[in-house]
Amino acid sequence: DTEVTQTPKHLVMGMTNKKSLKCEQHMGHRAMYWYKQKAKKPPELMFVYSYEKLSINESVPSRFSPECPNSSLLNLHLHALQPEDSALYLCASSQDGEILLFGPGTRLLVL
Amino acid sequence: DAKTTQPNSMESNEEEPVHLPCNHSTISGTDYIHWYRQLPSQGPEYVIHGLTSNVNNRMASLAIAEDRKSSTLILHRATLRDAAVYYCIPETMGGTSYGKLTFGQGTILTVHP
Repeated sequence: DTEVTQTPKHLVMGMTNKKSLKCEQHMGHRAMYWYKQKAKKPPELMFVYSYEKLSINESVPSRFSPECPNSSLLNLHLHALQPEDSALYLCASSQDGEILLFGPGTRLLVL
Repeated sequence: DAKTTQPNSMESNEEEPVHLPCNHSTISGTDYIHWYRQLPSQGPEYVIHGLTSNVNNRMASLAIAEDRKSSTLILHRATLRDAAVYYCIPETMGGTSYGKLTFGQGTILTVHP
């Protein structure tokens, strides 16, 4: 298994909803990442987990809450999002912190 | 983070070589030069990276200027599948900046049949 999987592929949520995005990899990679990409813009780093501990938080609003329950799984919990949070959310993993392997992303629409 | 300058867009014909330039004049001595690409509706994909010497892999070649202030990604024979946004990213990876890739605007490559 040599890929990063993300579920769901698409998500529509209201501003009062709570939802979670899920990312999985079974390659034994020790670092996992969340990126956010708005339409026609480059990806922007949100969080980095290294050995299941949060190592980088790029000043992301608290309505986004990451969680790394084990070395294979990374979640992004969403609560009280705004329409401007609509974007493609990308997960990535890395064995050595030098080369990142990205998943296909979850396309989120906040109404 | 080193600032990069890439052309907004480039065009190529299928089966011709493509040279994608990148200027990174503020690159630090420990920054590797990474190239990723993003095909439509997909996540970014690693292409190649290097420090000082030119690098080759099955996807592309990376030519790095002697002063390291610029680099060129070379696709030897473009295919329609190579149409993507190409990102040049100087970054010190590993260690305390574990995988902190910072994407710039990139170059949109269009490949004509």
